[in-house]
Amino acid sequence: AQTVTQSQPEMSVQEAETVTLSCTYDTSESDYYLFWYKQPPSRQMILVIRQEAYKQQNATENRFSVNFQKAAKSFSLKISDSQLGDAAMYFCAYRGTFGNEKLTFGTGTRLTIIP
Amino acid sequence: EAQVTQNPRYLITVTGKKLTVTCSQNMNHEYMSWYRQDPGLGLRQIYYSMNVEVTDKGDVPEGYKVSRKEKRNFPLILESPSPNQTSLYFCASSPHRAGTGELFFGEGSRLTVL
Repeated sequence: AQTVTQSQPEMSVQEAETVTLSCTYDTSESDYYLFWYKQPPSRQMILVIRQEAYKQQNATENRFSVNFQKAAKSFSLKISDSQLGDAAMYFCAYRGTFGNEKLTFGTGTRLTIIP
Repeated sequence: EAQVTQNPRYLITVTGKKLTVTCSQNMNHEYMSWYRQDPGLGLRQIYYSMNVEVTDKGDVPEGYKVSRKEKRNFPLILESPSPNQTSLYFCASSPHRAGTGELFFGEGSRLTVL
């Protein structure tokens, strides 16, 4: 069974600085997707960034980028120029391409932005 | 607007009183799923459906039922709710084995069982 581990329950960063959130996963599959979701106080699940396992190039979306290390099964999220609106719970998630296709989530990292 | 709609958004009920949380999507997605979110545990899958009339258990199905009679709807049924089902519930949908792999989420339903 796939597992996703987020070892940082809480992180904080000064506004305009850069922060990296860690995520590791375990799978025996070769083809899969990895995601970072943001959950602000509104509780809505918002997709931040997506990575397809067969792509070696790291995904980027504006101030958000990932460091995808397939062999190490690591998928960290870097937020540059942190803004107050980035404060939220961040979830790393894995989705396989066979069987259930369920999204397996980590336990989340609560990010606080310090003004 | 493409969306997944859940109702109710908030509900307080008592132990044993049957309730249904509705979920509807307007994106013609084959795959639909229910998750519950609890502090320190992330989101865990309750049930999923690959298509109409095809449903199966996820990781935490005990105490829940689902049905998929129409492609757009996937209601979650709690026949006899108990306090340990107090949680935040999300419905989600996506194309089946196609597209970007992204799961589209509803806005969540906060359920409290007294």
